[in-house]
Amino acid sequence: QKEVEQDPGPLSVPEGAIVSLNCTYSNSAFQYFMWYRQYSRKGPELLMYTYSSGNKEDGRFTAQVDKSSKYISLFIRDSQPSDSATYLCATRGSTLGRLYFGRGTQLTVWP
Amino acid sequence: GAVVSQHPSRVICKSGTSVKIECRSLDFQATTMFWYRQFPKKSLMLMATSNEGSKATYEQGVEKDKFLINHASLTLSTLTVTSAHPEDSSFYICSAWDPATNEKLFFGSGTQLSVL
Repeated sequence: QKEVEQDPGPLSVPEGAIVSLNCTYSNSAFQYFMWYRQYSRKGPELLMYTYSSGNKEDGRFTAQVDKSSKYISLFIRDSQPSDSATYLCATRGSTLGRLYFGRGTQLTVWP
Repeated sequence: GAVVSQHPSRVICKSGTSVKIECRSLDFQATTMFWYRQFPKKSLMLMATSNEGSKATYEQGVEKDKFLINHASLTLSTLTVTSAHPEDSSFYICSAWDPATNEKLFFGSGTQLSVL
């Protein structure tokens, strides 16, 4: 079983839609959870960073972690064409520990 | 956030040649940097951990003689793909920990290597 599972999509939504991106992970020791956004042929950009369970909001983005079910979510409200990218979830167990990535979900927001 | 600069962004080379990719931490010192490889529509694959002043730690299955890593200073790590072959064509990305918290990983812009 892979450490982090993520549906690669692709996911295509109209502008203004609410987008839900999800990952599951296998190791209950993971405590740090991240979402990265990656545009084509660019390095990943850190979008959201959370520790342990709970929600974190930043503008149109909300990251949610449910440690009981080992489920990570990223919600994008009022999606924009500029949100079109690949979104990767990532997690690790401790500070400076190895980061485990999902495969990434390719999102297209059409005008 | 911390800025990691990677050079070149794209390189095309002939089979059998060696290619060097540079990764620099701007305005901060990075004792540890990471090198990833990414195939189209695939996730990031950790290749090795670059440690300043010591040998890199390679992940299982990664040929250390093929992918030479040098971390000679606190702001520079290099990855050299030696005797490159078409199967080495890929997107290579370096990263470093955010120096302020050591909790967040920041990435360079990546290098697309195409071996003809």
